[in-house]
Amino acid sequence: GAGVSQTPSNKVTEKGKYVELRCDPISGHTALYWYRQSLGQGPEFLIYFQGTGAADDSGLPNDRFFAVRPEGSVSTLKIQRTERGDSAVYLCASSLKGGGAYEQYFGPGTRLTVT
Amino acid sequence: AQKITQTQPGMFVQEKEAVTLDCTYDTSDQSYGLFWYKQPSSGEMIFLIYQGSYDEQNATEGRYSLNFQKARKSANLVISASQLGDSAMYFCAMREGRTGGFKTIFGAGTRLFVKA
Repeated sequence: GAGVSQTPSNKVTEKGKYVELRCDPISGHTALYWYRQSLGQGPEFLIYFQGTGAADDSGLPNDRFFAVRPEGSVSTLKIQRTERGDSAVYLCASSLKGGGAYEQYFGPGTRLTVT
Repeated sequence: AQKITQTQPGMFVQEKEAVTLDCTYDTSDQSYGLFWYKQPSSGEMIFLIYQGSYDEQNATEGRYSLNFQKARKSANLVISASQLGDSAMYFCAMREGRTGGFKTIFGAGTRLFVKA
């Protein structure tokens, strides 16, 4: 079946602009995660959804970052007033359920470059 | 607070030999899960193996095994019979909590180079 998909694959934007990154999880997966990966580092947790609700958003760096999952499937990560430090690969992952041994399936990521 | 430490930025191994990638973790939770992921140069994250904190046996998946030493808070990945395709970044990760997804914390990674 189809894996996790993310669009766009690459996004270049100017400092101060607004961007939206989309994640389409595996069908039937109730848990969805967003991570940010900077060059040479491991993924950094941003937010976790169980169904439609954000069960843990403790990783969002500040109020410029916001994510939604209105119907419990597709999720959008929104970044306002982008800064050069936001440049990174944004990874989305989904799992059948949250917690336990349920592995997370990762998408290919969106490479965001803020100029 | 959760923390994952991978002290080996880079490792070399000869093809067909075994290699151990180190991972130590810190948590105050009694219930947690430990994961290893592989990230080739193409960028995708590939799940390799899982160990639950209450699992008494070390996890194994094909050529991958996890050397889990709970008292030392270590969860080293052992890759047996290394192959050229094993060259990649390897990340150790931990997720706390008995229920719910909760956050997953990743280490900085170890880059493995397999030599022919």
